Amino acid sequence: ETGVTQSPTHLIKTRGQQVTLRCSSQSGHNTVSWYQQALGQGPQFIFQYYREEENGRGNFPPRFSGLQFPNYSSELNVNALELDDSALYLCASSSLAGGSEQYFGPGTRLTVT
Amino acid sequence: AQSVTQLGSHVSVSEGALVLLRCNYSSSVPPYLFWYVQYPNQGLQLLLKYTSAATLVKGINGFEAEFKKSETSFHLTKPSAHMSDAAEYFCAVSRSGAGSYQLTFGKGTKLSVIP
Repeated sequence: ETGVTQSPTHLIKTRGQQVTLRCSSQSGHNTVSWYQQALGQGPQFIFQYYREEENGRGNFPPRFSGLQFPNYSSELNVNALELDDSALYLCASSSLAGGSEQYFGPGTRLTVT
Repeated sequence: AQSVTQLGSHVSVSEGALVLLRCNYSSSVPPYLFWYVQYPNQGLQLLLKYTSAATLVKGINGFEAEFKKSETSFHLTKPSAHMSDAAEYFCAVSRSGAGSYQLTFGKGTKLSVIP
């Protein structure tokens, strides 16, 4: 059984640019959630996708957007990058059920200069 | 709204000593509670979860946690610390009012194990 994978591992972008991060969910999971983890902080919920539809969103501006594909993989897109967007971006896959654990990928480290 | 407070951003224990990491939650409905561990430059690994069954939950690597509703706590313990336990630990609560079951994390507790 393949776990959650994310690409790329590291990324350096310039302020104002756009970035796309990718995530492949664990086999059998239909839900993908994205989290932002700033240095020294706990992860913060960005949004969740279930069956290709956004199924919940945290306190992030519209320049954070996403997609989920029919195979349940997902993308996180961030437009107009700001210095504060520098963080570890974590993807988690799960089944959409109460108490269902979320399985995390290794993350993408984004640095905005 | 739900929230998690982890008391102590940094905890140091001697190898072989008891590990106690504290977590208090706030939730307007019965919560689902989780503990995750994060090693340097890695993602999060699930240690254990509480979903309203037994109040004492056993997880991986010898960790366990007890749900105490009266104290709104879900503290993580391990009887004997090992060097490999050195990592950052996150408590999280999940409950949905709209079907998303998003996780709300605490700020984390970094555990150091002294040989």
